[in-house]
Parts: sequence; structure tokens; C-alpha cells
Amino acid sequence: DIQMTQSPSTLSASVGDRVSITCRASQEIYTWLAWFQQEPGKAPNLLIYQASTLQSGVPSRFSGSRSGTEFTLTISSLQPEDFATYHCQQYFTYPYTFGQGTKLEIK
Amino acid sequence: QVQLVQSGAEVKKPGASVKVSCEASGYTFSDYDIIWVRQATGQGLEWMGWMSPSSGSSGSAQRFQGRITMTRETSISTAYMELRSLRSEDSAVYYCARQGQSSDHWGQGTLVTVSS
Repeated sequence: DIQMTQSPSTLSASVGDRVSITCRASQEIYTWLAWFQQEPGKAPNLLIYQASTLQSGVPSRFSGSRSGTEFTLTISSLQPEDFATYHCQQYFTYPYTFGQGTKLEIK
Repeated sequence: QVQLVQSGAEVKKPGASVKVSCEASGYTFSDYDIIWVRQATGQGLEWMGWMSPSSGSSGSAQRFQGRITMTRETSISTAYMELRSLRSEDSAVYYCARQGQSSDHWGQGTLVTVSS
């Protein structure tokens, strides 16, 4: 199985900050990487697919990038509604594995 | 609009089975695979398996093989996931999702509690 190593596990930041979350794949997955946002008690919500394509309706302050097997989710200016947990997922090959998640907290 | 509506919470005893349903609407059910993901309390997301509504083909993560069955009833646009031989570690919220541009639409989740 492909291992997805996500960091950090927790991130403290303030409204207006620029933050980044990283996900590293244990092998080549090309651009088959998605990012999800999950609020407590709710289902995950797709933010980005194909490593850098914004899902319809997602604010442009979210962006995704790839460098080899390392992927980054960046939020350019944090808004109050962005404090949630973020997950990466590879969907290059079954099983579609997730990272461990990053909880974004208010500093 | 695309919607996936799952069945309600379940409480099961160890060794029992649970069957969760996922009713799709707002799109052609047979055009997109359905995946199943679970999340134990306070834990990350765990991908369980996939099913093709058009062919009925399915596949699961190795740790669930032999315990999981994924089926569908196309006439009512509903997918099912059955997990057998339940143990306490199977207590979690179970989600179905449509595999379009990645997992682009999710059900609301079904809480399964395994307790004696």
C-alpha cells in the first residue's frame, strides 16, 4: 500500500495567516492527490483534486502544489471558517490511502 | 444537486453484521463508482473499498477482505456495505462517497457502535 505521511499533525495559526500543510507519498502517485476539509461531526469536503485543481465553489485562498512525491496545501489568508481538520488522499492506486490528518487550530 | 443519503445509526454486538445503505440522487448512479470510508472517534479517515454500480464489481482494502461485501440495487440508486464479524474496533462513522473528480460528494455518515 502507498503510505501518505502528512505534517504537521496540529497547526496553530491566526486569522489572516498564510499556512501550509504537507503530504508525502511513499511512491510515485503523479498528480493523483486530493485534499479534503473536515469540520467536527461532518463529512469530509473535497477542496482540491489532481494535486492543484480547485473544486467548484472552493475559495481561491486555497491552493495545491506538487514537487515530486511531496504535495502542499496552502491557505493564503486564514478565515475563521478555515479552522478544521485537513486530510490528503492518494487515488493513484487501490487502496486509496489517506494521510493522518492535520488539525488547524486558532492560536 | 448530487446527494448521498445514508441509513441511520446502528448498535451491534460483537460477532454480528451491519449493513449500511447509501441512496444516491441528482446524477446517473451507474456513471460513478461508490467508495466506503470509515472514521473512528478522534481518528483519521480509513479507505475501505470501492464498488462499480454499473458492473457490480468491487474491491476492498486487504484488512477487510473476507469480512466486507459491497453491493447495489440500481433500480433504487442505492449502494450497500455489509461488514461481518464485528468487533469493538469496528465502532466508527462509516461514509459512502461518489468517486468522480476524486471523492467529490459524500454521504452524511452512519455511526456504527459495536458493544456487548
